[in-house]
Amino acid sequence: DADVTQTPRNRITKTGKRIMLECSQTKGHDRMYWYRQDPGLGLRLIYYSFDVKDINKGEISDGYSVSRQAQAKFSLSLESAIPNQTALYFCATSGSNRDRDTDTQYFGPGTRLTVL
Amino acid sequence: LAKTTQPISMDSYEGQEVNITCSHNNIATNDYITWYQQFPSQGPRFIIQGYKTKVTNEVASLFIPADRKSSTLSLPRVSLSDTAVYYCLVGALFSGGYNKLIFGAGTRLAVHP
Repeated sequence: DADVTQTPRNRITKTGKRIMLECSQTKGHDRMYWYRQDPGLGLRLIYYSFDVKDINKGEISDGYSVSRQAQAKFSLSLESAIPNQTALYFCATSGSNRDRDTDTQYFGPGTRLTVL
Repeated sequence: LAKTTQPISMDSYEGQEVNITCSHNNIATNDYITWYQQFPSQGPRFIIQGYKTKVTNEVASLFIPADRKSSTLSLPRVSLSDTAVYYCLVGALFSGGYNKLIFGAGTRLAVHP
């Protein structure tokens, strides 16, 4: 969905480096999410944010941190990247008035991260 | 936790109707059932959502029995472009937190000519 953008789209880094993945949305949604997907597996929730002042851990938050700089921006950081964090990372948003009770999520195109 | 169970894979042919069933035995009262489609190296895309009975939109139908312990996504007359992974997701904003928004491995649908 072009309304949710992620940068970079691909990144190769080395063990121990700090990495930031960025997500921006123009849908006007208040809720944002970060997921990771490993090959052949489903998505696992890392962090989610109800609004700028509300950030919550998801299923697999260890080794990650996030920052909600504005309603439209939600960044994911790997403070010290390790090889098993190699994965496809997706940002998602939800929360327009019509969808508020049903939480339909709109996903970005993903960031492919490789940690050597 | 509203765990879901789906078949790992399915095969079909162009023009056939495909039904993918998802089991969610411990669905909560406030939970909605949502289906997403994912193509390789792309983010999941919303297909359809329902709470009970039947929902139909321009691409699919969703059948939910009265006990809501399962749901069936129906794709009419599939084409090659419907080859994708389909995820069943159970959860809602007000039903206990986002730890319930867990995507399983999904169902890998392959449509053949």
